[in-house]
Amino acid sequence: KNEVEQSPQNLTAQEGEFITINCSYSVGISALHWLQQHPGGGIVSLFMLSSGKKKHGRLIATINIQEKHSSLHITASHPRDSAVYICAVRPGWNSGGSNYKLTFGKGTLLTVNP
Amino acid sequence: AAGVIQSPRHLIKEKRETATLKCYPIPRHDTVYWYQQGPGQDPQFLISFYEKMQSDKGSIPDRFSAQQFSDYHSELNMSSLELGDSALYFCASSPRQGNYGYTFGSGTRLTVV
Repeated sequence: KNEVEQSPQNLTAQEGEFITINCSYSVGISALHWLQQHPGGGIVSLFMLSSGKKKHGRLIATINIQEKHSSLHITASHPRDSAVYICAVRPGWNSGGSNYKLTFGKGTLLTVNP
Repeated sequence: AAGVIQSPRHLIKEKRETATLKCYPIPRHDTVYWYQQGPGQDPQFLISFYEKMQSDKGSIPDRFSAQQFSDYHSELNMSSLELGDSALYFCASSPRQGNYGYTFGSGTRLTVV
């Protein structure tokens, strides 16, 4: 079982819809990242979270440390939001593993149709 | 704000050639990590450096080597390139101590033909 689980794996939406992508993890973490990757493109860091909630434009990321769960929301989705969204965690010092390497989720492929 | 800089952005090489990828971390970050992401694959950890010393090693082939320099930039050297080395190579940097996340470079897309 992967230490980082994302859902859904694939998501198709109509322009303007509200999008939610979920990430659950099984280890203690020091930080959680939400990353965006367009087809054939590089990695873009959207958020780094260790607690609470962050907002940037139409994107909102939340994390619940007790429940080991994070969500990425996109409001008023647009076709340019179509990309793979990846959740990645940096384990905490007491997680039993390396504190330094990220563990990646499998990614969520989002397609927003006009 | 300064980000992690990688060069080149794109690289095309022939089989059996060599390639050198560079990663410049943001200021005050002493740790650099290299990842490889093949087409349709999850990122795979290759190697990391802290204070110019290798700190962790993942699935890096023997044909590859890397180092971190005194200015904390890192270079990934790849020799005897194979078609299967075609991938996105991205690096990230962080302060080693404390509960901080990574800052990511946008990656170098290597195509071996």
